[in-house]
Amino acid sequence: SQQGEEDPQALSIQEGENATMNCSYKTSINNLQWYRQNSGRGLVHLILIRSNEREKHSGRLRVTLDTSKKSSSLLITASRAADTASYFCATQETSGSRLTFGEGTQLTVNP
Amino acid sequence: NAGVMQNPRHLVRRRGQEARLRCSPMKGHSHVYWYRQLPEEGLKFMVYLQKENIIDESGMPKERFSAEFPKEGPSILRIQQVVRGDSAAYFCASSPQAQEGYTFGSGTRLTVV
Repeated sequence: SQQGEEDPQALSIQEGENATMNCSYKTSINNLQWYRQNSGRGLVHLILIRSNEREKHSGRLRVTLDTSKKSSSLLITASRAADTASYFCATQETSGSRLTFGEGTQLTVNP
Repeated sequence: NAGVMQNPRHLVRRRGQEARLRCSPMKGHSHVYWYRQLPEEGLKFMVYLQKENIIDESGMPKERFSAEFPKEGPSILRIQQVVRGDSAAYFCASSPQAQEGYTFGSGTRLTVV
């Protein structure tokens, strides 16, 4: 079954606006990670948040984690056209090591 | 630090041929993972290996697919007797520890004609 599920599937905003993407999951996790993928390229690791953390920042990125609701959000502030990409959440369960990815959110930032 | 290196970048095979995909992890990374991605979809886990050991192959099809990570040399994902449905992007990733973020390669795009 799908572990990480992103919402929305697609998001289109204007440059300078904030973009928020959500991720829900089903099982207990050790950590949750967000990745970015430009079209036709490999994934780039953005941020990792552990199950005992509630919020984490990295530059223009802010990630929150609510383990009681089994959900996470990724906020990109002051978006740029170069932020256009697919964004995936991925979970690592407590018992294992493999990452389970969601289907992704396609973000388009219009100049 | 060259990152995770995958080759070839593009591979075309006729139905029934064998495909060999190679992955050299980042220096110092002993955990290697293979994922498959179909167009417009997320990544599907295939196999997790450490040097000379398969740790988790629960995502690998039972037939035609195999993976190895020898003591010396790159990790190899091997697909025998390829079919059109094997056409996809295959990504390799590595990590230094089991519960850490992954570094991904640029992928191998396999096309079966």
